[in-house]
Amino acid sequence: AQSVAQPEDQVNVAEGNPLTVKCTYSVSGNPYLFWYVQYPNRGLQFLLKYITGDNLVKGSYGFEAEFNKSQTSFHLKKPSALVSDSALYFCAVRDSANAGKSTFGDGTTLTVKP
Amino acid sequence: GAGVSQSPSNKVTEKGKDVELRCDPISGHTALYWYRQSLGQGLEFLIYFQGNSAPDKSGLPSDRFSAERTGGSVSTLTIQRTQQEDSAVYLCASSLSWEALNEQYFGPGTRLTVT
Repeated sequence: AQSVAQPEDQVNVAEGNPLTVKCTYSVSGNPYLFWYVQYPNRGLQFLLKYITGDNLVKGSYGFEAEFNKSQTSFHLKKPSALVSDSALYFCAVRDSANAGKSTFGDGTTLTVKP
Repeated sequence: GAGVSQSPSNKVTEKGKDVELRCDPISGHTALYWYRQSLGQGLEFLIYFQGNSAPDKSGLPSDRFSAERTGGSVSTLTIQRTQQEDSAVYLCASSLSWEALNEQYFGPGTRLTVT
């Protein structure tokens, strides 16, 4: 079975400060990891993914995420938060041995205050 | 190019009625997925298609739920004898293929309200 945990329902940061949204996962095979963002009244959008190679992956809107195999984590980061980053963020995992199914976390609401 | 489209955007139905939700994936995407997102909850996987076949139906909540995909394109999710607990946003996504490395592209969703 595969699972994803996003331990924080809510993350609050001040504009200009760095942000981190946490994600841990469990899979039986090799993990393929994804971050998606859902802006208010809009659909989910793909941000970035880790498949293999460099543990630090860069994505849209200045976001990046670090894959840590020993800690089974894939935390989303951004050096300097913007108010417009306020949204609902989902981490997802796919198992290389179970290609079709994606398992999503429960989501973390990020609020960036001016 | 065009993204994933879903119709209707909103559907209000009475308990016990059947509903059909439609998804039109990105052209050329062979994999298609259905999820359910309840208020304040994450995404619940329902079913996925590779071409017209559905290798994994494990997420369908009950036998009242069914889905089909014809011509490797449009998919329909049908809920029979709707119940109030079926109220949610139903999301469709597509990806280039079923392979796990492919990201998914989501439609805007259909908000279903069962009264």
